[in-house]
Amino acid sequence: SAVISQKPSRDICQRGTSLTIQCQVDSQVTMMFWYRQQPGQSLTLIATANQGSEATYESGFVIDKFPISRPNLTFSTLTVSNMSPEDSSIYLCSVVRLADSYEQYFGPGTRLTVT
Amino acid sequence: DQQVKQNSPSLSVQEGRISILNCDYTNSMFDYFLWYKKYPAEGPTFLISISSIKDKNEDGRFTVFLNKSAKHLSLHIVPSQPGDSAVYFCAASPSGTYKYIFGTGTRLKVLA
Repeated sequence: SAVISQKPSRDICQRGTSLTIQCQVDSQVTMMFWYRQQPGQSLTLIATANQGSEATYESGFVIDKFPISRPNLTFSTLTVSNMSPEDSSIYLCSVVRLADSYEQYFGPGTRLTVT
Repeated sequence: DQQVKQNSPSLSVQEGRISILNCDYTNSMFDYFLWYKKYPAEGPTFLISISSIKDKNEDGRFTVFLNKSAKHLSLHIVPSQPGDSAVYFCAASPSGTYKYIFGTGTRLKVLA
């Protein structure tokens, strides 16, 4: 499996500000994704981070709110823009390597609290 | 519309006994399924997978069963250990997309 790190591990932010979360993988991966887990709920896919091109967003998520970059095969960022308390969640990146078939591996998550 | 459901939010089992966690899905296009374990303040840890061409996959103490006609899968843990206490998520994906829909999770507590 891949070793995935995320920065920051947690943050407390004021409403109206933005936070950028970084995801670093120890090896080249085929696909990278960003998920959100709101309090008491399941994981929800936000978008697929595409290397060198715009991310592909799921229904209910838009680029202006969650801009994503993926400059290479091992790194991606997710920005949560103009935050409100409803954005308080755990944000997780995940990766797929074709060599691992369909298995998807997750980073440790970033716990965001918006006050 | 919840396409992947875990109807039991919690489960308690004695150490050494079998834990059975259930998952139901509604989308017949799902053909690859994963189980994850999640401890507090950590990301989900991949446990075991199964594709729709199989009805069973085994890895050590973990076995996943898939009943396609019932759109149901289950994770069996035998024997259960206190370290297995965590939240377990099932996830499903249509072929080739790598995009997973997650269930709501079942909190397993293994009692020593």
